[in-house]
Amino acid sequence: DVKVTQSSRYLVKRTGEKVFLECVQDMDHENMFWYRQDPGLGLRLIYFSYDVKMKEKGDIPEGYSVSREKKERFSLILESASTNQTSMYLCASSSPGQPNQPQHFGDGTRLSIL
Amino acid sequence: AQSVSQHNHHVILSEAASLELGCNYSYGGTVNLFWYVQYPGQHLQLLLKYFSGDPLVKGIKGFEAEFIKSKFSFNLRKPSVQWSDTAEYFCAVNANNAGNMLTFGGGTRLMVKP
Repeated sequence: DVKVTQSSRYLVKRTGEKVFLECVQDMDHENMFWYRQDPGLGLRLIYFSYDVKMKEKGDIPEGYSVSREKKERFSLILESASTNQTSMYLCASSSPGQPNQPQHFGDGTRLSIL
Repeated sequence: AQSVSQHNHHVILSEAASLELGCNYSYGGTVNLFWYVQYPGQHLQLLLKYFSGDPLVKGIKGFEAEFIKSKFSFNLRKPSVQWSDTAEYFCAVNANNAGNMLTFGGGTRLMVKP
């Protein structure tokens, strides 16, 4: 069974801090994704990656960056955290090839920016 | 860009009632369609998916969904809900020209009263 592990379930940071959210998957998936989940807005894609060192912007990349140095790990970085980045962050991974392969999600990190 | 609309943000039902959650998408080409479920405190899980063939697809836990191409819809149904179906449900669409990217609806929070 695929396991996607996010390093923290809950995180509290201050405005202006640099924040790192880590995600690791154990199924050798090439595709990895970062979403934020807000009430009434569903999941919105921030960044995704199809391979090591490769990244693509999603729908709401502003204020975020990502790093994919190893295949199993995909990090989301808030360069200078702001209160409007308080949200639930979800990481997902999927196998390559057919686009109908489902994404497997981590438990999420609830991030509060004070 | 495609968008996904889920008409009901909150649904409250009694046990044994029938369920139908609406999902409409805006994309004229070939699509792959998904329903995900998020039980309280748990990660998103795939409920069912459609990518070709019979437009009526069956998923886990007695759920099914029907793809009606002419209506751009993929509504989720269950004939008799249980208290354990209390969760948030997300419809997601992958357009065939969008690689492995998913666009999610805003989610529907279902509460089933015992």
